[in-house]
Amino acid sequence: DADVTQTPRNRITKTGKRIMLECSQTKGHDRMYWYRQDPGLGLRLIYYSFDVKDINKGEISDGYSVSRQAQAKFSLSLESAIPNQTALYFCATSEGQPGEKLFFGSGTQLSVL
Amino acid sequence: QKEVEQDPGPLSVPEGAIVSLNCTYSNSAFQYFMWYRQYSRKGPELLMYTYSSGNKEDGRFTAQVDKSSKYISLFIRDSQPSDSATYLCAMTPLGQLTFGSGTQLTVLP
Repeated sequence: DADVTQTPRNRITKTGKRIMLECSQTKGHDRMYWYRQDPGLGLRLIYYSFDVKDINKGEISDGYSVSRQAQAKFSLSLESAIPNQTALYFCATSEGQPGEKLFFGSGTQLSVL
Repeated sequence: QKEVEQDPGPLSVPEGAIVSLNCTYSNSAFQYFMWYRQYSRKGPELLMYTYSSGNKEDGRFTAQVDKSSKYISLFIRDSQPSDSATYLCAMTPLGQLTFGSGTQLTVLP
């Protein structure tokens, strides 16, 4: 089984719909992250959490919200999806060592029509 | 100007070739440097991790950091078709990573 599991793998939704992407991990790491990947733009940080009570905005948090339900679970919500949120979304974890070695899930391909 | 610049490619080489992948950066505070490999429809996986300047070798892979020039490289010797992937550089002063946009590499059998 994968250490970092994302569900769903693919999602097609319509503009204005609320959707949730889920992430769970078995690595025992405290730190969890949500990134989006767009062609030519690389990976950009949306939100991150250092523990259950600590949530921080990343570079591109507008239009997104997160919930850290437990050490192992971190979900990303799009309250009202728009087409420019079409992207590949990745959840990642880290041990928190200097330099932040990240461990990624397999990603969720989201299409907003 | 982006903090981290990476040639997007695509780069196509014959099997057995030496591959050089590069990134330049502008933030002199960066001191941790990484290379991630990403296969199609998979998440990135950490390939090489270096601190400060110098070289690090792991099998067919060598990571090189030149902080004076703000330039990092990943060399792949005896490249194999299984090396076909997108390679992302990443770096940080201490915490959050800044990623390059990735270079798509294809190794032809």
